[in-house]
Amino acid sequence: QKEVEQNSGPLSVPEGAIASLNCTYSDRGSQSFFWYRQYSGKSPELIMSIYSNGDKEDGRFTAQLNKASQYVSLLIRDSQPSDSATYLCAVRMDSSYKLIFGSGTRLLVRP
Amino acid sequence: DTGVSQNPRHKITKRGQNVTFRCDPISEHNRLYWYRQTLGQGPEFLTYFQNEAQLEKSRLLSDRFSAERPKGSFSTLEIQRTEQGDSAMYLCASSLSPGQEMFFGPGTRLTVL
Repeated sequence: QKEVEQNSGPLSVPEGAIASLNCTYSDRGSQSFFWYRQYSGKSPELIMSIYSNGDKEDGRFTAQLNKASQYVSLLIRDSQPSDSATYLCAVRMDSSYKLIFGSGTRLLVRP
Repeated sequence: DTGVSQNPRHKITKRGQNVTFRCDPISEHNRLYWYRQTLGQGPEFLTYFQNEAQLEKSRLLSDRFSAERPKGSFSTLEIQRTEQGDSAMYLCASSLSPGQEMFFGPGTRLTVL
C-alpha cells in the first residue's frame, strides 16, 4: 500500500463545474496536509494547507480533511481551463520532517 | 520577497560525469529539502536540512549523491558518476518550520545521455 494514494485520472470536467480531487493516506498519526498544483514542465505550487478536521476555504478552493477516514480532498468551484494541471496531495507523517507526495491527479477542464 | 531559486535550470551531461546543483531558499527559511521527480510521479524525498545540519536522508540517496548546506543558507546537491536513471527533475524547497508550508523552487532538469 502506498503511503499517499491518488487516482491518476485524468478527471475531465466542463468549465464552470465543481472538480473534486481525492487523496487517502496510510499513517493515522499524520498531522499536516497540503495540496499542490503542477503545470506540465513546472514545479509544484502550493494551493492550500489543512491541519484539522473539517473544511478550509480559500477563494474557489476548499480543502476537506477527515482524519478518522484518513481522507483529504480538494474541491475547485467554477473550474476554469487554466485550472487544468496535475494536483498533488502531500502529507507530513507524524514525527517526520518530510512531505510524502501522491502521484497526482490530472485535471482537465473542458471549455 | 524572492522565492526559492535553483541553478542551473537545465543540465545535460554524459554518463559518468559529475554534476552539482545549487539551491537558494527563501530568506529566513532555515528548513531546506531536496526532492526528485520523474515523469508521472510525485516528488520523492531525498534529504532535509535544518540550518546546516542534515537531519534526514532517504534510502534513495545512494553514495553517489551528496548534499551540503555549509552556512545554513544555500545548499548544493552533487551527483557523482551519473547514470541514465538519474535523469529527473531535482526540486529544492524551503519552509520556516517543519510543520509549516513548504515552497518549491523552479527545479533543475537533469538529462544524462
